Amino acid sequence: GAVVSQHPSWVICKSGTSVKIECRSLDFQATTMFWYRQFPKQSLMLMATSNEGSKATYEQGVEKDKFLINHASLTLSTLTVTSAHPEDSSFYICSARRQGEGDTQYFGPGTRLTVL
Amino acid sequence: RKEVEQDPGPFNVPEGATVAFNCTYSNSASQSFFWYRQDCRKEPKLLMSVYSSGNEDGRFTAQLNRASQYISLLIRDSKLSDSATYLCVVNSGGYQKVTFGTGTKLQVIP
Repeated sequence: GAVVSQHPSWVICKSGTSVKIECRSLDFQATTMFWYRQFPKQSLMLMATSNEGSKATYEQGVEKDKFLINHASLTLSTLTVTSAHPEDSSFYICSARRQGEGDTQYFGPGTRLTVL
Repeated sequence: RKEVEQDPGPFNVPEGATVAFNCTYSNSASQSFFWYRQDCRKEPKLLMSVYSSGNEDGRFTAQLNRASQYISLLIRDSKLSDSATYLCVVNSGGYQKVTFGTGTKLQVIP
């Protein structure tokens, strides 16, 4: 159990376009979902924390108007990178926390975004 | 001082060797600790939680030292498949937030 999927797994887009990434918990309801970004040879950096039905909490330095997060249900959260630029190229990973399991996070397979 | 610090390595060890990693954390009120494994270009996968009493799972042993504020991971009888980056994760900001270390890279050599 505790499978998290992400879609798409890989996307290439032109500068200025918007990209939506979906994160789904397939076999459990996720009380909280997290969005991370990871640049090459660096650790995961938390971008925002998302609870179903409420506004996401963004980390310092993360533009909420650029990275739109929607947590529409207990199994789905979306991250939209608006007006993407080459510096937004990164590996975006979501994770989900299952009720009753404390701080354990289950990670999606990640989405590799390349902005040309 | 960073919230969570790890030696980035790489640790190059021969097959069958025992290797240990440490991870220090700055917030003495931290409550939860984990080790994750991340293969190149893949998502992190939970390796084990770290309990106050220590935790052992097969060849892997995790320890917590609250007095010195570090956690450790010991891998015995290293396998080639153990080659990966090992991420230390600490709940350092309350229930919602965990902080990742930058990871320690392990390369097991035949």
